[in-house]
Amino acid sequence: KNEVEQSPQNLTAQEGEFITINCSYSVGISALHWLQQHPGGGIVSLFMLSSGKKKHGRLIATINIQEKHSSLHITASHPRDSAVYICAAGPHSGGGADGLTFGKGTHLIIQP
Amino acid sequence: GAGVSQSPSNKVTEKGKDVELRCDPISGHTALYWYRQSLGQGLEFLIYFQGNSAPDKSGLPSDRFSAERTGGSVSTLTIQRTQQEDSAVYLCASSLAPRFRVNQPQHFGDGTRLSIL
Repeated sequence: KNEVEQSPQNLTAQEGEFITINCSYSVGISALHWLQQHPGGGIVSLFMLSSGKKKHGRLIATINIQEKHSSLHITASHPRDSAVYICAAGPHSGGGADGLTFGKGTHLIIQP
Repeated sequence: GAGVSQSPSNKVTEKGKDVELRCDPISGHTALYWYRQSLGQGLEFLIYFQGNSAPDKSGLPSDRFSAERTGGSVSTLTIQRTQQEDSAVYLCASSLAPRFRVNQPQHFGDGTRLSIL
C-alpha cells in the first residue's frame, strides 16, 4: 500500500515569501500529482510529473524518484495562492487500482 | 469547454435512506474516477472506470456502495442504507488516458457534499 505524507500540514506566510510544500511516498509510482483545492472546494490539477522539474508561472514542482520525494514551490506568493495543496501519487507498480493515493493536504494561507 | 459536472451539489438525507450521485465527465474522456473526501481527511479513491472494461472497485468501503457507468459516459454512485460516516464530499474526475500519462491529468468536478442526519 502506498503511503503519501505531506508537510507541513498548515502554513501561514506573508505575501511575497517563497513557499515550499513537501511530499513523500512509500512505493514506486508512475506519476506524482499536485492538486490545488480552492476554499470553495473545487480541485484543479496543477502538475503531473514523473521526473525532473516542471514550471508554470510562479509554481514549480520537482520530483526525486530515487528518494521518493516531491516538492511544490511558490515564488512571490500572493493571497490568491491561499488554498489546500494536495499531493497524490500513483499508480504504483503492482497496485490494482488506477486511482491515486492522496496526501492529507497542506493548508496554505498567504497574508497581505 | 464544459468540465466535469456533478449533481446534486449538496444532498442532505436521513440515515438509512439510499442516495444517488451523478457525474457527467468531459466528453471523450474514457477514464472516470470517484473519490471521497471526509471532513478533516484527505481524498480517498473509491472506484475507477475505463471504457467498457470491468470497473476497479477496490476502493469501495463497503457493499453498500456501488457505481455504474452507462454508455461509457455518465456515472452514478449509489450508497444504500446511508450511515452518518458516509457524510463527505464525493468527487468525480475524468481523464483522456486509460492509464496515467505525464500529459494526461485528471479533471475534477466540484463534488457533491453529502450530509447524513
